[in-house]
Amino acid sequence: EVQLVESGGGLVQTGGSLRLSCAASGFTFSTYGMNWVRQAPGKGLEWVSFISSGIGTVQYADSVKGRFTISRDNAKNSLYLQMNSLRAEDTAVYYCVRETGYIDHWGQGTLVTVSS
Amino acid sequence: EIVLTQSPATLSLSPGERATLSCRASQSVSSYLGWYQQKPGQAPRLLIYDASNRATGISARFSGSGSGTDFSLTISSLEPEDFAVYYCQQRYNWPYTFGQGTKLEIK
Repeated sequence: EVQLVESGGGLVQTGGSLRLSCAASGFTFSTYGMNWVRQAPGKGLEWVSFISSGIGTVQYADSVKGRFTISRDNAKNSLYLQMNSLRAEDTAVYYCVRETGYIDHWGQGTLVTVSS
Repeated sequence: EIVLTQSPATLSLSPGERATLSCRASQSVSSYLGWYQQKPGQAPRLLIYDASNRATGISARFSGSGSGTDFSLTISSLEPEDFAVYYCQQRYNWPYTFGQGTKLEIK
């Protein structure tokens, strides 16, 4: 069974940093592109970042470019999101997702709250 | 960035009725469009991929159609568990984008 378990969310002040982690199991992690998708409270879905299976390609939404860094450790079956210079508008549930063009598996999400 | 516009924002129907949800893209996405269902407190679930293909385990009540810029999701006969928020998503190019959602509520 595919499992994606996020951790690292919490309350942080404006301008602060957080590092999200995602532990993957139940599939060959190294062969899949992985992503972070977020959802602000009561709002829709926003694709945040993508990393290819071979760590050759990364992509970011314009809203986070230059502030967030996605990475992965295939030996540890783990995905990460380093978030710096956090803003109030980054407040959201962050989902670790497996994607093959579409998202076929989602984590349960981790809540990030940015407050002054 | 490709903008996806869903309509209507809210759709009020009764169980047993037919639901049709629309998604329009700001430029052609060929057939690279999917649909998700999200219930309160849950992560979304993939229903349809590449415009018209049902994902694994999805009921035949759900069907998708369209290509280019205009797409629709049809639920043939609403069951109580179908009342939720539905999102479309394009994978034609990065950044992949979602529509703003259609809330399907019980009338």
